[in-house]
Amino acid sequence: AQSVTQPDIHITVSEGASLELRCNYSYGATPYLFWYVQSPGQGLQLLLKYFSGDTLVQGIKGFEAEFKRSQSSFNLRKPSVHWSDAAEYFCAVGGYSTLTFGKGTMLLVSP
Amino acid sequence: GAVVSQHPSWVICKSGTSVKIECRSLDFQATTMFWYRQFPKQSLMLMATSNEGSKATYEQGVEKDKFLINHASLTLSTLTVTSAHPEDSSFYICSARAQQSIAGEWGEQYFGPGTRLTVT
Repeated sequence: AQSVTQPDIHITVSEGASLELRCNYSYGATPYLFWYVQSPGQGLQLLLKYFSGDTLVQGIKGFEAEFKRSQSSFNLRKPSVHWSDAAEYFCAVGGYSTLTFGKGTMLLVSP
Repeated sequence: GAVVSQHPSWVICKSGTSVKIECRSLDFQATTMFWYRQFPKQSLMLMATSNEGSKATYEQGVEKDKFLINHASLTLSTLTVTSAHPEDSSFYICSARAQQSIAGEWGEQYFGPGTRLTVT
């Protein structure tokens, strides 16, 4: 069965500092991997996705993620965090049929 | 493009009543729609998958008689919570996916903004 682990429930980062959110997955085949962001009371917005090719993928809002098959990881990074990045971030794995989400990491940005 | 709306955005109802939530794809035809439930501080849990014109497929543990899903057209799916109880209070999110020729091999899902249901 597929699963996603986001080991950090919440992370606090100073504005302007770099960010890395961790994601580990378990999937029986070549995974499709996603990062979504959710602002309070809102739906999910896709930040980026990976399903083949270059293992470093660029997304919207200056985010990037690196797929490391050997570590079963797909960590999200941003070189300089802005206050507007404060939100909950979900990593997801799936194929064509369904998505399995991690429990999410709440990002807090301090001034 | 690829906008999904949900209505209502929030609803309060009394215990024992039924509530209908609509999910619409505004600018594409959604052959498949998904319904998720999200508890506070929790992840999204898939409740059911519905394909236009056919019965929904429910995930294990989801009561299909309680959560009625209808996907009567390519742009509309509805979730009806029947005889709602306080434990049904949650954030319900739908997503929609176009046919594979458009959605691609990985079938991107577009998410609605969610509906907050509170049962008193």
